[in-house]
Amino acid sequence: GQQVMQIPQYQHVQEGEDFTTYCNSSTTLSNIQWYKQRPGGHPVFLIQLVKSGEVKKQKRLTFQFGEAKKNSSLHITATQTTDVGTYFCAGTNTGNQFYFGTGTSLTVIP
Amino acid sequence: NAGVTQTPKFQVLKTGQSMTLQCAQDMNHEYMSWYRQDPGMGLRLIHYSVGAGITDQGEVPNGYNVSRSTTEDFPLRLLSAAPSQTSVYFCASSYSWQGAYTFGSGTRLTVV
Repeated sequence: GQQVMQIPQYQHVQEGEDFTTYCNSSTTLSNIQWYKQRPGGHPVFLIQLVKSGEVKKQKRLTFQFGEAKKNSSLHITATQTTDVGTYFCAGTNTGNQFYFGTGTSLTVIP
Repeated sequence: NAGVTQTPKFQVLKTGQSMTLQCAQDMNHEYMSWYRQDPGMGLRLIHYSVGAGITDQGEVPNGYNVSRSTTEDFPLRLLSAAPSQTSVYFCASSYSWQGAYTFGSGTRLTVV
């Protein structure tokens, strides 16, 4: 079946440092979504990427979809304590199911 | 606008007991799904529905049943609870299966 792998599983950064999480699929994805889950909370939708090579920005967050549509990344510039949480990617190729990655847990040290 | 409402928030069950986790959305979303979240495993799809009267299995359906009699409600039934079903359960909905998902606040279930 389809697998969506996410690395790293954990990341600790000093406040102000940059952070990147990567999402890789064994198959070509039709689109990919990113979610953020605060500790003790529920996943919240951040963005969706559809086109090959697409890049989208939300303030300090930059999202990329690979040219082959098999990978994606989320980059946070100058992390803040409000960025703490787990970031999930979710992708789909065919059918009507999204497969979530295992998530990257981000800790920001003040 | 309440979004996706899940009840209960916490539940402790004994092995072998059955129960229903409730999920309701007021956004007129056609697509609804149930996930379980376990440490290091991410979110795994249990069952999903593309509209009233239609349900299908996800990655980990064993031990769970669902029904979708209305657009708004999508309950998840545990038939005979097992300790392996200890997890956090999330219900999510979307206007389409490719749209942005709105998640409920979750149900933390412990089976002893």
